[in-house]
Amino acid sequence: QKEVEQNSGPLSVPEGAIASLNCTYSDRGSQSFFWYRQYSGKSPELIMSIYSNGDKEDGRFTAQLNKASQYVSLLIRDSQPSDSATYLCAPNTGFQKLVFGTGTRLLVSP
Amino acid sequence: EPEVTQTPSHQVTQMGQEVILRCVPISNHLYFYWYRQILGQKVEFLVSFYNNEISEKSEIFDDQFSVERPDGSNFTLKIRSTKLEDSAMYFCASSDVQFAEKLFFGSGTQLSVL
Repeated sequence: QKEVEQNSGPLSVPEGAIASLNCTYSDRGSQSFFWYRQYSGKSPELIMSIYSNGDKEDGRFTAQLNKASQYVSLLIRDSQPSDSATYLCAPNTGFQKLVFGTGTRLLVSP
Repeated sequence: EPEVTQTPSHQVTQMGQEVILRCVPISNHLYFYWYRQILGQKVEFLVSFYNNEISEKSEIFDDQFSVERPDGSNFTLKIRSTKLEDSAMYFCASSDVQFAEKLFFGSGTQLSVL
């Protein structure tokens, strides 16, 4: 079983819509979860972190975590063309071992 | 703004040769990492490093690979006897003690093994 699973996409949404990105993970011991964004040809950058069950909001981004279901998601409200990128889910699977999923490619059309 | 610097940006080598990829992490960071990304594939964890020793490594990080912090600023990845399948973008990253999971990535070294 893969450690982190994400739908590779592309997920296409129109500008202004809500984009919903999902991730499941296999390690029940993971306590912290991170969403990174990677623009094409660039390196990843952290956009959200979440540590406890429920929702965490930061601007247009909301991360949701359900440890019982081993599920974490990222909602992007009012999607913009500049949000077009690959979004990487990363549970912390050990001390200093952040393992990325394959990522979901998001395309936001004007 | 402080950034992680990687050199060179592109490296071309012949199969069987040794390469050293260099990184200068952000100066007050204490955790260091190497990741790689084969074209079109996911970002794969290779190794993490703290206090002058390896903290974690993946199954990819076998005896072909080694890391070193030769001085107070550089962090290097050595790949011995390169293979065609080592061709990838190699990312260095660093993080600080207060927020260890917030990795700051360099812009990467594109390694091409011919």
